[in-house]
Amino acid sequence: AQSVTQPDIHITVSEGASLELRCNYSYGATPYLFWYVQSPGQGLQLLLKYFSGDTLVQGIKGFEAEFKRSQSSFNLRKPSVHWSDAAEYFCAVGAYSGGGADGLTFGKGTHLIIQP
Amino acid sequence: DVKVTQSSRYLVKRTGEKVFLECVQDMDHENMFWYRQDPGLGLRLIYFSYDVKMKEKGDIPEGYSVSREKKERFSLILESASTNQTSMYLCASSAGTGFGYTFGSGTRLTVV
Repeated sequence: AQSVTQPDIHITVSEGASLELRCNYSYGATPYLFWYVQSPGQGLQLLLKYFSGDTLVQGIKGFEAEFKRSQSSFNLRKPSVHWSDAAEYFCAVGAYSGGGADGLTFGKGTHLIIQP
Repeated sequence: DVKVTQSSRYLVKRTGEKVFLECVQDMDHENMFWYRQDPGLGLRLIYFSYDVKMKEKGDIPEGYSVSREKKERFSLILESASTNQTSMYLCASSAGTGFGYTFGSGTRLTVV
């Protein structure tokens, strides 16, 4: 079974500083990998996804993530954060069983706090 | 804009009540999912469905059931609500795992 670890429960970053959120996954084959963002009281919004091809993927809102197979990681980055980036961020891993869609497995989330 | 709509944002129910949480998507997606979200535990999959009248158990199906009579609608049922089912419930739909999910805004259920 797949699993996802987000080692940081909370991260505090100054506005304008760079950001990296960590994600490690466990899965036997090449997984589908996703990053989602959740603003307070809202559902989750897809930031970006990876399945194959270029290991550096670009997403919405200026985010990018890099797939590193050797490290089983899919870290999310942003060169300069804005106060509006304060939210909960979830990494997720998925697999396709062939007989239907498996549910995504989510990490427990990283709460991002932006300092003025 | 594509949408997943959950019928209630906030719901308060009494212990022992039968509770229905409704979810409708307008994207003609085959796959629909119910998750619950709790602080420190992240999102946990309750049930999912990849076709009308088909359902599969997720990681925490105990105390829940689901219904999918039409492609666009996926209902989560709490047969006899208990206080430990107080949570945020998120519905999602997908055209396939590789496409990612579209989530609804969530229903915050409180069982008293």
